[in-house]
Amino acid sequence: GESVGLHLPTLSVQEGDNSIINCAYSNSASDYFIWYKQESGKGPQFIIDIRSNMDKRQGQRVTVLLNKTVKHLSLQIAATQPGDSAVYFCAEGMNYGGSQGNLIFGKGTKLSVKP
Amino acid sequence: DARVTQTPRHKVTEMGQEVTMRCQPILGHNTVFWYRQTMMQGLELLAYFRNRAPLDDSGMPKDRFSAEMPDATLATLKIQPSEPRDSAVYFCASGYWDGPYEQYFGPGTRLTVT
Repeated sequence: GESVGLHLPTLSVQEGDNSIINCAYSNSASDYFIWYKQESGKGPQFIIDIRSNMDKRQGQRVTVLLNKTVKHLSLQIAATQPGDSAVYFCAEGMNYGGSQGNLIFGKGTKLSVKP
Repeated sequence: DARVTQTPRHKVTEMGQEVTMRCQPILGHNTVFWYRQTMMQGLELLAYFRNRAPLDDSGMPKDRFSAEMPDATLATLKIQPSEPRDSAVYFCASGYWDGPYEQYFGPGTRLTVT
């Protein structure tokens, strides 16, 4: 029979535009959130993290926004470049209890940058 | 530049054979994770260790999979016997138990079981 793969949301942007990748997380008690980038044939790579007591954090060309009211996380990439093409994962975790140090990963969003 | 290393990078084997994947975590990290990634399921946590002790292996099929840390520089994931449905990319990651909590991933082992 025909195999059905995981359907990843896809975001297609023009080079130079800003990208916004969204993520809905599951646990309102999560203490921290991390964004990962996975390029084809490679392992996920850490981009940026944010603690639950913050609502915004900026890095180089990236900004993460956290809205705990609706359990929503977003990653903004400024001036998107072809090298930003990848699958982006959000992950959440807790810094206490039995799950300390563990991360729960979302399904990912595929970003395609058109030159 | 400290990195997680994994061997082999690619493995093709026949159904029923034993497969052993190896991981060298970043020196000083005290947690090690094994993940499996497939198109169907995405990224799944199989098992993880803290200070070499297994903490959670509930994501792993117990009858055929086993994970160990013989020492602080080596983690192994073994499948015996392997089945075609085990075909996937297996990632090892390491980090700190008490923060910061980002995990550093290796390049993965692409396993194909025919």
